[in-house]
Amino acid sequence: EDKVVQSPLSLVVHEGDTVTLNCSYEVTNFRSLLWYKQEKKAPTFLFMLTSSGIEKKSGRLSSILDKKELFSILNITATQTGDSAVYLCAVLTSGSRLTFGEGTQLTVNP
Amino acid sequence: GAVVSQHPSRVICKSGTSVKIECRSLDFQATTMFWYRQFPKQSLMLMATSNEGSKATYEQGVEKDKFLINHASLTLSTLTVTSAHPEDSSFYICSALSGTSSYNEQFFGPGTRLTVL
Repeated sequence: EDKVVQSPLSLVVHEGDTVTLNCSYEVTNFRSLLWYKQEKKAPTFLFMLTSSGIEKKSGRLSSILDKKELFSILNITATQTGDSAVYLCAVLTSGSRLTFGEGTQLTVNP
Repeated sequence: GAVVSQHPSRVICKSGTSVKIECRSLDFQATTMFWYRQFPKQSLMLMATSNEGSKATYEQGVEKDKFLINHASLTLSTLTVTSAHPEDSSFYICSALSGTSSYNEQFFGPGTRLTVL
């Protein structure tokens, strides 16, 4: 059974802090790993990672994949209150099937 | 990016009634759509994969006779929760696979919050 584990499950920080969210996985037929941000509605896409060691960056967010250790991290620098959300990691396998982790609830306090 | 809509966004119904949720891809054709369920403070769980013109593939533990899926066209899939009970109350999210995307990206709908009284 495919498995995606995220840590921590919950994180509370102050504005300006840097956070690192973790995602590990055990799946068969790995294709890609994706990060999403979920506020009150459906997830919005952040990154898709397919190759090891190549950092994807978008503003204050960045992510990298280690396919040897079956691990990815999502970094957010200079956090803002608008970054408060649930961050979901998902692994795409054959058949375009997505398996989601439990998510990390990030709260950024002013 | 591609847009996926869901209707209704919120529904409250009595126990025993059936509820239909629509998922539409607005500006692209989707041969494959997915239906997820999300309980409070939990992650998205895949319920079924819906392919246009064929029967849906259900995940283990999901009752196909209770959650009827119809994918009659390339832009519309429907999920009908039959004889809904309070334990079916959840956030239902669909996603559509863009056939033209080289990454086979899934585009998510805004979700439907179902409350069964």
